[in-house]
Amino acid sequence: DARVTQTPRHKVTEMGQEVTMRCQPILGHNTVFWYRQTMMQGLELLAYFRNRAPLDDSGMPKDRFSAEMPDATLATLKIQPSEPRDSAVYFCASGFQGFLGYEQYFGPGTRLTVT
Amino acid sequence: AQKVTQAQTEISVVEKEDVTLDCVYETRDTTYYLFWYKQPPSGELVFLIRRNSFDEQNEISGRYSWNFQKSTSSFNFTITASQVVDSAVYFCALSGGTSYGKLTFGQGTILTVHP
Repeated sequence: DARVTQTPRHKVTEMGQEVTMRCQPILGHNTVFWYRQTMMQGLELLAYFRNRAPLDDSGMPKDRFSAEMPDATLATLKIQPSEPRDSAVYFCASGFQGFLGYEQYFGPGTRLTVT
Repeated sequence: AQKVTQAQTEISVVEKEDVTLDCVYETRDTTYYLFWYKQPPSGELVFLIRRNSFDEQNEISGRYSWNFQKSTSSFNFTITASQVVDSAVYFCALSGGTSYGKLTFGQGTILTVHP
């Protein structure tokens, strides 16, 4: 049963620290997404990649967030420096275009708390 | 621009009642995909259904059914004979045909089923 994995599942850090979240997409999926969930904004897209190339990162605060896919098995989302307003659940999802359209599967999320 | 509206913020029912969650969407894409996800208290996002814009057939899966109407841009979700385990936040989402699967989510509907 293939799944998207995310590490860490929970992270508590102090303001100003660097945070790195990792995602392992499902093998064979060529698209990877990063979403953020907050009470105020709901679920919003931060960035996504297709065949490891960034397609759109307009949802990310550019000055402090960065997303990369160093290889097909790893996607990273970094925040430097972190701020309390970054506290949220960060979801990674991977997908592919099937016969009937895109299919997308979510990881369990990383719950980030910045104090 | 794409938009998904879930007008019902919270719904409370008693077990065995039927409940319908509304979803209205906006898109300029002629081909698009609609989704429903369930987020139980544990926090993960569970895929429930995907519907293509060219397929307006309603679908039933056990106690779940979905009514897709392009004429009113709606994709409503009905749970028949609700159970306590159905208590969760339910998200409707939209993906445009040219967006490589990136999702625009509604704000979610909190469903509470009381015993």
